[in-house]
Amino acid sequence: NAGVTQTPKFRVLKTGQSMTLLCAQDMNHEYMYWYRQDPGMGLRLIHYSVGEGTTAKGEVPDGYNVSRLKKQNFLLGLESAAPSQTSVYFCASSSWTSGGYNEQFFGPGTRLTVL
Amino acid sequence: AQSVAQPEDQVNVAEGNPLTVKCTYSVSGNPYLFWYVQYPNRGLQFLLKYITGDNLVKGSYGFEAEFNKSQTSFHLKKPSALVSDSALYFCAVRDYGNNRLAFGKGNQVVVIP
Repeated sequence: NAGVTQTPKFRVLKTGQSMTLLCAQDMNHEYMYWYRQDPGMGLRLIHYSVGEGTTAKGEVPDGYNVSRLKKQNFLLGLESAAPSQTSVYFCASSSWTSGGYNEQFFGPGTRLTVL
Repeated sequence: AQSVAQPEDQVNVAEGNPLTVKCTYSVSGNPYLFWYVQYPNRGLQFLLKYITGDNLVKGSYGFEAEFNKSQTSFHLKKPSALVSDSALYFCAVRDYGNNRLAFGKGNQVVVIP
């Protein structure tokens, strides 16, 4: 199993450009998440999905959109990139239980720089 | 709202000495608590979790954590630190039935040879 994979690993954008980050998982997990990691701020949840075709806003959703057309994929889009979106982006997935206590599995991250 | 506090930015410890990384939490119901570790330029790796039962939880790489409900704490411990334990450690919490984890800001652990 590859686990959680992210594409691309690195990207440099100019302000105003758009891009899509792809997350794929091969563990048949129901839940998927997008986080951003900034120094001294830990991980902050951008958007998440509890199943195919569903998405929900997290803590810092502004400037981002997501889609989950297939269970194994979760896409994060930046329509008009801003320097404040320079960050490391992590995707994660977890299986479902009624109590919601299963651990999340993380991808290796995408380092995005917006100039 | 659920939240986690990791009061120390960095923990320095000599190799072979005990390692403790502190975490306190706030939830409205029963907590589910997690510890993750991040090595440089890598994603987060799961170490251990507390759901219910024994307050002392054992996890990967010789780590353990103690759940203390009265002090709302979930400190991570290792009896004898290794240089390879140098990494960023995150505590996280979720309420029962909540789909989202709340992460702390992370603790940088530096193990000195």
